[in-house]
Amino acid sequence: GAGVSQSPSNKVTEKGKDVELRCDPISGHTALYWYRQSLGQGLEFLIYFQGNSAPDKSGLPSDRFSAERTGGSVSTLTIQRTQQEDSAVYLCASSLGKGAIQETQYFGPGTRLLVL
Amino acid sequence: AQSVTQLGSHVSVSEGALVLLRCNYSSSVPPYLFWYVQYPNQGLQLLLKYTTGATLVKGINGFEAEFKKSETSFHLTKPSAHMSDAAEYFCAVSDHGTASKLTFGTGTRLQVTL
Repeated sequence: GAGVSQSPSNKVTEKGKDVELRCDPISGHTALYWYRQSLGQGLEFLIYFQGNSAPDKSGLPSDRFSAERTGGSVSTLTIQRTQQEDSAVYLCASSLGKGAIQETQYFGPGTRLLVL
Repeated sequence: AQSVTQLGSHVSVSEGALVLLRCNYSSSVPPYLFWYVQYPNQGLQLLLKYTTGATLVKGINGFEAEFKKSETSFHLTKPSAHMSDAAEYFCAVSDHGTASKLTFGTGTRLQVTL
């Protein structure tokens, strides 16, 4: 079956521009997560969606970052007024969302963002 | 807050040799622990996880890890390395309090030589 997909796979943008990154979770998965992987910070949690509940935004690094999840499926991570320190690989993951803390998260291939 | 420490950002072993990747965690409550592998230009793939029960956990590709509470460790091992094991390995702990978000270690890049 299809796994988690992300688009674009690579994105180059200029400092100050806005970017949108897309994630398609595995069908039937109600939980969706965004992480960021960068050289300086390693793998960091950004935001988590579970069904219709309010998202856990505790990992977002600044108010330039936002995310939404439409119809409980596809999610878009938006970075406004990009800065060079936003350059990283943005990873999306999904899980069944049954609430069990030991659920397996399935990761997409990531979007590599480069801010010039 | 929980944290994970992976000792050794880079480990090199010969093909056929034992693989040992170290992971220590800090947690005020019994943790859930995970090992993920990342092959070049690919996403993260779960190798194994510890939740409750048996402390020796077996995963895919011949890997296993042992949860040692007294040492706050969850080291990853494989008896005999294969060239295809070359990848980056991440140890992670679940964050109690809110759902299943993961806190990752900084990763260990495994190189396998002939």
